[in-house]
Amino acid sequence: DTGVSQDPRHKITKRGQNVTFRCDPISEHNRLYWYRQTLGQGPEFLTYFQNEAQLEKSRLLSDRFSAERPKGSFSTLEIQRTEQGDSAMYLCASSLLGQGFNEQFFGPGTRLTVL
Amino acid sequence: QKEVEQDPGPLSVPEGAIVSLNCTYSNSAFQYFMWYRQYSRKGPELLMYTYSSGNKEDGRFTAQVDKSSKYISLFIRDSQPSDSATYLCAMSGMESGAGSYQLTFGKGTKLSVIP
Repeated sequence: DTGVSQDPRHKITKRGQNVTFRCDPISEHNRLYWYRQTLGQGPEFLTYFQNEAQLEKSRLLSDRFSAERPKGSFSTLEIQRTEQGDSAMYLCASSLLGQGFNEQFFGPGTRLTVL
Repeated sequence: QKEVEQDPGPLSVPEGAIVSLNCTYSNSAFQYFMWYRQYSRKGPELLMYTYSSGNKEDGRFTAQVDKSSKYISLFIRDSQPSDSATYLCAMSGMESGAGSYQLTFGKGTKLSVIP
């Protein structure tokens, strides 16, 4: 399968615990994005990388959230001291920077439940 | 007012009906207009995109953009039960513009096509 993959698919944690999610983009894609989707809402942009550089962070991304893409390939999203409001689907997408329209391909998401 | 407004439905139609989905937006910097389909507990997948104003047809699907009214539509002809999903409109700016890398989504409209 050459699509975007995310791990784990589901995560249940207790409030106050730290969690880390992984995203593996399509291999030649140089842009990687993180979005968050809550029930009944569309995805909301969190942050994006071009190669290993994190170029933009949404104000939705509080200090408890940190994302990395150390070698410009896979990325991790860590949430520290989780809160119940962090419960959501975390979606990763990747694209290839080029002329014109750059389609973002989404992974299946990691569903986080904070108890 | 949110940047992108979309009626969440739900919308229920009989098989074979023509379905009309639409979104309005407020940011005149948007240049690319997309429709994504999302099945339950899956990531969104791109159906169609349109650059600037105009129409685009792909099989049973037609996308329309009216930038003067800040209004976009997706029409599905001869709807099938397999079309049952949540349809998300999404928008982005030009590559050189601010926010061009991120997608701004509507809430999504949940569609059920009844056999």
